[in-house]
Amino acid sequence: AQSVTQLGSHVSVSEGALVLLRCNYSSSVPPYLFWYVQYPNQGLQLLLKYTTGATLVKGINGFEAEFKKSETSFHLTKPSAHMSDAAEYFCAVSGRREYGNKLVFGAGTILRVKS
Amino acid sequence: GAVVSQHPSRVICKSGTSVKIECRSLDFQATTMFWYRQFPKKSLMLMATSNEGSKATYEQGVEKDKFLINHASLTLSTLTVTSAHPEDSSFYICSARDDGERDTQYFGPGTRLTVL
Repeated sequence: AQSVTQLGSHVSVSEGALVLLRCNYSSSVPPYLFWYVQYPNQGLQLLLKYTTGATLVKGINGFEAEFKKSETSFHLTKPSAHMSDAAEYFCAVSGRREYGNKLVFGAGTILRVKS
Repeated sequence: GAVVSQHPSRVICKSGTSVKIECRSLDFQATTMFWYRQFPKKSLMLMATSNEGSKATYEQGVEKDKFLINHASLTLSTLTVTSAHPEDSSFYICSARDDGERDTQYFGPGTRLTVL
């Protein structure tokens, strides 16, 4: 079984400040981990993913995340927030294809960027 | 690359009618597609997994006779909401798993269904 916990349903940062969105997961199989962003009334856009290899992964729009197996975490960061980063962010976990490959989502974190 | 489209983006229908939503992978083949439902201020709920050429697999609690899924080609899956009722009003999002990149789902822009 797999689950995802996103700490903080709402996060507010000032423009130019560090963005940190927290994600912890549980998985009985080696996890694949994803961050998606959703703007109002739109679908989800893939920001980045971890499957195997390097544990620090870089994504689009300056975001990156680090897979820490010992902490079962996959926190999303961006050094300097931009107004256009305001959106809802979802962390998700899946198993490999042989385990069904279904995505399990966290509850989401709404990021607000203050000018 | 990895673009998924959905049509229509928005639909309003009367109670008792059926509505079809299309999900297309535009630049890749997708043997497997997924249908999700998203309630306001909530996360995504997986409804079913759609496999090309075979029957869809529905999640527990999802009525397969109400939400008909057809995946007739490697780039197209359709969801038909039959005999729609106001409680079916929601945001429906599809995703497609790239056959050449088997671990990642790419999402469509969503369809807002309103049943009057």
